[in-house]
Amino acid sequence: QSALTQPASVSGSPGQSITISCSGTSSDVGGYNFVSWYQQHPGKGPKLMIYDVTNRPSGVSNRFSGSKSGNTASLTISGLQAEDEADYYCSSYTSSSTWVFGGGTKVTVL
Amino acid sequence: QVQVVESGGGVVQPGRSLRLSCAASGFTFSSYAMHWVRQAPGKGLEWVAIISKDGTQIYYVDSVKGRFTISRDNSKNTLYLQLNSLRPEDTAVYYCARNNYDDYYLDYWGQGTLVTVSS
Repeated sequence: QSALTQPASVSGSPGQSITISCSGTSSDVGGYNFVSWYQQHPGKGPKLMIYDVTNRPSGVSNRFSGSKSGNTASLTISGLQAEDEADYYCSSYTSSSTWVFGGGTKVTVL
Repeated sequence: QVQVVESGGGVVQPGRSLRLSCAASGFTFSSYAMHWVRQAPGKGLEWVAIISKDGTQIYYVDSVKGRFTISRDNSKNTLYLQLNSLRPEDTAVYYCARNNYDDYYLDYWGQGTLVTVSS
């Protein structure tokens, strides 16, 4: 049950695109299309941004997109805005019928 | 609207117990599996446990097995987490979250309740 691997921080200027990676194993990210992404602002509960690798819930901006290749999933934020500054976590269902999160990535808008 | 509200956190001494509750509203509670997720101060999210909609299937992260117990009362629309033999490393904000119907992601989260384990 090791945590998924994410970069500690990613930054970009307004309007730019950034990508956050999430690396796992064949027992989690690589084995299932059940990767999800969550946004968390300071002092708040997490908010679902992407589910099942590529799907956006209703109400989430289409500037957010997800993908996966092998054991690595990615979240891309296009047209970066000040309100996107937050922590982002990936998560995956695992072969043990449990869930695992990534260590989190702090996104800074320069 | 879907809402989950955690309660029961507080300061507790190492080795003692605490029970957290999560009150659900705005959806048919008995139709959804539910999770507990925790976040230590300044750290990332850690998945803790899941319970199926009828309470018959339960899974835990290894670090809490044998110490924590997840349960639910569908007649009261409430999820519980019993925390026993608490350790300082269990200090965290504990979040309750709904598992999306028949899928594998957490779609609605509460604001969390803080548990501090300290002598």
